[in-house]
Amino acid sequence: QSALTQPPSVSGSPGQSVTISCTGTNSDVGSNNRVSWFQQPPDTAPKLMIYEVNKRPSGVPDRFSGSRSGNTASLTISGLQTEDEADYYCSSYTTRSTYVFGTGTRVAVL
Amino acid sequence: EVQLVGSGGDLVQPGGSLTLSCSASGFTFASYWMHWVRQAPGEGLIWVSRINPDGTTKNYADSVRGRFSISRDNAGNTLYLRLTSLRVEDSAMYFCVRSVSGSYGYFDFWGRETRVTVSS
Repeated sequence: QSALTQPPSVSGSPGQSVTISCTGTNSDVGSNNRVSWFQQPPDTAPKLMIYEVNKRPSGVPDRFSGSRSGNTASLTISGLQTEDEADYYCSSYTTRSTYVFGTGTRVAVL
Repeated sequence: EVQLVGSGGDLVQPGGSLTLSCSASGFTFASYWMHWVRQAPGEGLIWVSRINPDGTTKNYADSVRGRFSISRDNAGNTLYLRLTSLRVEDSAMYFCVRSVSGSYGYFDFWGRETRVTVSS
């Protein structure tokens, strides 16, 4: 199972919006709505930010939003803040009853 | 408070074996699918394995199938991962993770990792 494809890095100034893409296949991202996004600051366990494509867990700011078109899911951070600097990973359930993660994207706040 | 605490990581030689444990508390462990996810230093997340609530269904990533074995003790609130025929590329931090919302749920809580180093 190949990892989902994400850009290595994205950056923006405080207050701007950034979007991270996550490209898979019709065996994972495009096959179900079990796409999630995780935030991982350095030396910290990942934290769930988006689940089932576009749902936010309690406590996650509404500037984080998710979407999907075909085999590509996206995470948008609106109104970027310095505390949003971290690595971000997407994940998807697959048709083989396994899970696959994205390659990871580092978000930098300029 | 939900807690997942990994242990058992160690330095082991190639070809060796190891058993990781994850102690769960703060929730009804026996009701949840549980997973292991690993991350090599400076690298991305890799899903390794999962087990259903009663331990009868287990799935593995291709890279570990036949070498790793997942199990659980619901009475003792503990998840296990038996690692055998270890390779250098198995070196990583191993996270114990809970999922919710059924057999194809999402990872809602990540535990404290345990480190495995495979080296001669």
